[in-house]
Amino acid sequence: AQTVTQSQPEMSVQEAETVTLSCTYDTSESNYYLFWYKQPPSRQMILVIRQEAYKQQNATENRFSVNFQKAAKSFSLKISDSQLGDTAMYFCAFLNDYKLSFGAGTTVTVRA
Amino acid sequence: KAGVTQTPRYLIKTRGQQVTLSCSPISGHRSVSWYQQTPGQGLQFLFEYFSETQRNKGNFPGRFSGRQFSNSRSEMNVSTLELGDSALYLCASSWGREKETQYFGPGTRLLVL
Repeated sequence: AQTVTQSQPEMSVQEAETVTLSCTYDTSESNYYLFWYKQPPSRQMILVIRQEAYKQQNATENRFSVNFQKAAKSFSLKISDSQLGDTAMYFCAFLNDYKLSFGAGTTVTVRA
Repeated sequence: KAGVTQTPRYLIKTRGQQVTLSCSPISGHRSVSWYQQTPGQGLQFLFEYFSETQRNKGNFPGRFSGRQFSNSRSEMNVSTLELGDSALYLCASSWGREKETQYFGPGTRLLVL
């Protein structure tokens, strides 16, 4: 079974600053996909970014980028130029056998 | 393209009743997955359907069941509701290949009294 660990329950960042969320996972698989989803107060789960394990290049999506360290089984998310609309709970997730396994989440609050 | 839709959005039931939740995937998507989100247990996988067949199932009691129709719409049913079933139930859809992005609906918030 895969386990996903997010060790930071809450983080706060000033608008326009950068924040990094950590995620580690445990798996014996060699080919897998990792995701970051955000869940704002509306509770709608929104895809932020995805990383394919066989790709060495780190994924980026506008202000969001990841640092994927396969050997260390680490998958951190960096939010640059934070905006008020980034305030949300962020979940790291591992996809295997059609099933997403989620971490406990990190609540990010962006301060004006 | 319309996103994943879930009905109803909110539901209040009493213990012992049963409930049926519905999910319509993104057009063309043939896989539908269901997740339960609670403050205590976080996000947990219930089951996944593809072409009317269940391909994977989480660790939930038999009171939780689901099905998928030929148009890929899915329903999940919870019988003999318990207080602990109060949760946000999220549905997600994808094209159906194993390692594909799942896109979520807005969820159904169930409160059991």
